[in-house]
Amino acid sequence: DSGVTQTPKHLITATGQRVTLRCSPRSGDLSVYWYQQSLDQGLQFLIQYYNGEERAKGNILERFSAQQFPDLHSELNLSSLELGDSALYFCASSVAGDSFYEQYFGPGTRLTVT
Amino acid sequence: GQQVMQIPQYQHVQEGEDFTTYCNSSTTLSNIQWYKQRPGGHPVFLIQLVKSGEVKKQKRLTFQFGEAKKNSSLHITATQTTDVGTYFCAGRGTGNQFYFGTGTSLTVIP
Repeated sequence: DSGVTQTPKHLITATGQRVTLRCSPRSGDLSVYWYQQSLDQGLQFLIQYYNGEERAKGNILERFSAQQFPDLHSELNLSSLELGDSALYFCASSVAGDSFYEQYFGPGTRLTVT
Repeated sequence: GQQVMQIPQYQHVQEGEDFTTYCNSSTTLSNIQWYKQRPGGHPVFLIQLVKSGEVKKQKRLTFQFGEAKKNSSLHITATQTTDVGTYFCAGRGTGNQFYFGTGTSLTVIP
């Protein structure tokens, strides 16, 4: 158990819909990362937040948005869902904002778009 | 854009054989981290390399960071069935993005 929690574990929704994925980082960690892992694909970095502020942006679609709240939990919002958005979405947390700290991954949220 | 490629994509080995995965970045990385993801699981941090030419060992695993900080390797000696999983390298490149490699999936045949 990494100490990072993600809800829900599974999500099935239809095309065109909007969903919100939630992540609670490890106690004491200030940085949250979001990743997308499609079937047989590697991990695509989406976005990073550090202490409530956006720190780095990766290949995140305009239909997707995220935020980190004052209590440091984070949400990833996916809208106008397409079939290709079906994937495993991981959240990870680390102590600080730079890359020199290990990331602790949550169990992931499996999103299925039908 | 920046890419981090790993080879091979898949590797099947007999238990007891050695295994190596190579990580290559198109640009210089500030550091390199290695993660392991078991089937059905989430990535778990293995190690971090920061210095050019750095070599670190963890029991049967040996990690290297290239002199130009653009490549890295992970070598496992005498693989065991517990080594099964996908190994990813990762690092911070230009533009502050964090890049994960494409991963190498290791299967160990008992």
